[in-house]
Amino acid sequence: DVKVTQSSRYLVKRTGEKVFLECVQDMDHENMFWYRQDPGLGLRLIYFSYDVKMKEKGDIPEGYSVSREKKERFSLILESASTNQTSMYLCASSLWEAEQYFGPGTRLTVT
Amino acid sequence: GIQVEQSPPDLILQEGANSTLRCNFSDSVNNLQWFHQNPWGQLINLFYIPSGTKQNGRLSATTVATERYSLLYISSSQTTDSGVYFCAVEDNDMRFGAGTRLTVKP
Repeated sequence: DVKVTQSSRYLVKRTGEKVFLECVQDMDHENMFWYRQDPGLGLRLIYFSYDVKMKEKGDIPEGYSVSREKKERFSLILESASTNQTSMYLCASSLWEAEQYFGPGTRLTVT
Repeated sequence: GIQVEQSPPDLILQEGANSTLRCNFSDSVNNLQWFHQNPWGQLINLFYIPSGTKQNGRLSATTVATERYSLLYISSSQTTDSGVYFCAVEDNDMRFGAGTRLTVKP
């Protein structure tokens, strides 16, 4: 079974803090994705990566950056957290043009 | 970008009933997936179905790519089927519909 894990299930941070969300997959998938999910807005793609050290912007990259130094790990970074970044963050991975598998999600609250 | 519309937005069923969820998309896509998000927030991949028909137990899905829609069928629904069902399509990136919230009552 594909396993996608995320570093935290719940996270509370203060405005202005630097936040790291980690995602690890164990199936040697090339592609990894970060989404956020908000009520009424559905899931929106923040960033994705097709290979190590490669990244592409999704629909809403502003305020975020990513890092993929190893194939199995994809990190989402909030350089200076703001209250409008309070959300559920979901990581996913997939092979090329294949189904995506999601992690359990991290519910981030920025106060 | 591609627009993805799901219907109905909400659906309430009695246990044992059948249902059909619909996903319309506005342009050609490379692939299409159906997901179930359980009450704990976990997204589970149900079908990867860019075209054709697939079945998995009480669930089946059909995608008619030329007409830009996909259907998810749930037969003999159970309370554990409750949650939100998302359709997602891939063009240059993945786009999700707003989801159908299904509540199955015992």
